[in-house]
Amino acid sequence: AQKVTQAQTEISVVEKEDVTLDCVYETRDTTYYLFWYKQPPSGELVFLIRRNSFDEQNEISGRYSWNFQKSTSSFNFTITASQVVDSAVYFCALRTSSGSARQLTFGSGTQLTVLP
Amino acid sequence: DTGVSQDPRHKITKRGQNVTFRCDPISEHNRLYWYRQTLGQGPEFLTYFQNEAQLEKSRLLSDRFSAERPKGSFSTLEIQRTEQGDSAMYLCASSPGQSNTEAFFGQGTRLTVV
Repeated sequence: AQKVTQAQTEISVVEKEDVTLDCVYETRDTTYYLFWYKQPPSGELVFLIRRNSFDEQNEISGRYSWNFQKSTSSFNFTITASQVVDSAVYFCALRTSSGSARQLTFGSGTQLTVLP
Repeated sequence: DTGVSQDPRHKITKRGQNVTFRCDPISEHNRLYWYRQTLGQGPEFLTYFQNEAQLEKSRLLSDRFSAERPKGSFSTLEIQRTEQGDSAMYLCASSPGQSNTEAFFGQGTRLTVV
C-alpha cells in the first residue's frame, strides 16, 4: 500500500522568510512518481512539480526548490523568500507503477500562511 | 480558459435527495478522475475513466454513488439518497494518455448536505 505523510499541519512565516514543507512517502514499488500541488482558497489544485523515482536530481524553479532523497523516502519543498501569495495548502502526492496505477495518493496537506 | 471545468461550484441539498455533478475535462485528455476531499484532508480517489470506460473504483464509492462518461468527454457523478457524511469537495481531474503525466484539477464542487 502507498502512503504519504505530511507531518506539518500548519506553518506560519513572515514574508521573505524561507520555509520548507516536509513530505515522507511509503511504497514498495521501485518505479513511482512524486508530485506537489498547491491549493489556494479558490479550491483548485495547481500542479507544481512531478518527479520520477529514477531522477534524484534536485530541482529549482524560481523561488521554489525540491529535495528528493530516496534514502529517507522524502520529497521536501522549499520556498525561498516567501510572499503573501504563497499562502495556500500544499499537498504532496504519490503515484506508483503497479496496482491502482492511475490514482494519486495524497498527504493530508500543509497549510502555509505567509504574514506580511 | 481550457482547463478542467466543474459544475456547479456549490450545492446545498437536503438529506435523502439525489445530486449530480458535471465535469468537463481538458479536451485532448482521455483520462478522467474523481476525488473527494473533506475538510483538513487531502483528496481521496473515487474513480477513474479512460475514454468512456470506468477502469477503477475505490471502496469509498458506495452503491449510492455512480459515475459515467458516456462519450468519453464530460463525466457526471451522481449521489443518491445523500447523507450528511457525503458533505465534501468533489474534485475532477484529467490527464493525457501517458502514464507519467500529471493530472490537472478543476475547482471542485462543494457539496453540503443539511
